[in-house]
Amino acid sequence: EPEVTQTPSHQVTQMGQEVILRCVPISNHLYFYWYRQILGQKVEFLVSFYNNEISEKSEIFDDQFSVERPDGSNFTLKIRSTKLEDSAMYFCASRASGAITDTQYFGPGTRLTVL
Amino acid sequence: DAKTTQPTSMDCAEGRAANLPCNHSTISGNEYVYWYRQIHSQGPQYIIHGLKNNETNEMASLIITEDRKSSTLILPHATLRDTAVYYCIVRVGSSNTGKLIFGQGTTLQVKP
Repeated sequence: EPEVTQTPSHQVTQMGQEVILRCVPISNHLYFYWYRQILGQKVEFLVSFYNNEISEKSEIFDDQFSVERPDGSNFTLKIRSTKLEDSAMYFCASRASGAITDTQYFGPGTRLTVL
Repeated sequence: DAKTTQPTSMDCAEGRAANLPCNHSTISGNEYVYWYRQIHSQGPQYIIHGLKNNETNEMASLIITEDRKSSTLILPHATLRDTAVYYCIVRVGSSNTGKLIFGQGTTLQVKP
C-alpha cells in the first residue's frame, strides 16, 4: 500500500539554525500539507499546498517557514531560524484530489528538537 | 468547520466493542464526519468518514444520528493495538484546501 514517507525521523538542531524537513507524498497525489504537534498538545495545521503554491496557511506559518516542491516527488518544509518553541513533531500529509471524500494520508513524522 | 466534543478518555476490555461518541450539534448539511486515530505520536491514521448514512469498513463502523448532531465510532472487537487517541473531525464538503482541524480527541485505553 502506498504511503507518505518523511526524513529524517529525528532532527536535532541549535537555535537559530536552518532546518529542512523532507516528505515524499503518495505518488499521483496533488494536495500536500504540513502539520505540527508540540509534545502533549493537539495536532495543528500549518500549511496546504496545491498546484505549486500555498493554498492556505495558519497563523503559525510565519515568515520563518517556507514550503517547496523542488521536483516531482519531494515536498519540503524549511524553517529559516529555528526557535526553542519550534520543537515538535512535524507531519506531512497528502491527498489525491480536491474531492471531499478523498482521504488525507499522514507520514510517520519528523521529531524536531531545537536546543 | 463545526466544533466537535468528545470525552477525554475511555477504557475498553480487549475483545469487546469500543464505542466512541462525538457530539457535533452545529454541523451543517454539507459537512462530513471524519475519524482519525493517533497511536503514540505516530502520524494520524484515517479510519472512516460519513455524511448521513451509517458506514462500515474493515476497521470500524460509523453510526450517525438522524439529526446528524452526534455520531459513534465502533471498533467491533478492540485489541491492545487499538489503544490510541481518536479524533472526530467535521469538514466542510466544499473546502478545497482540505485542512483538518484536530481537537484533543478521546484517549482509548484497551485493557487485557
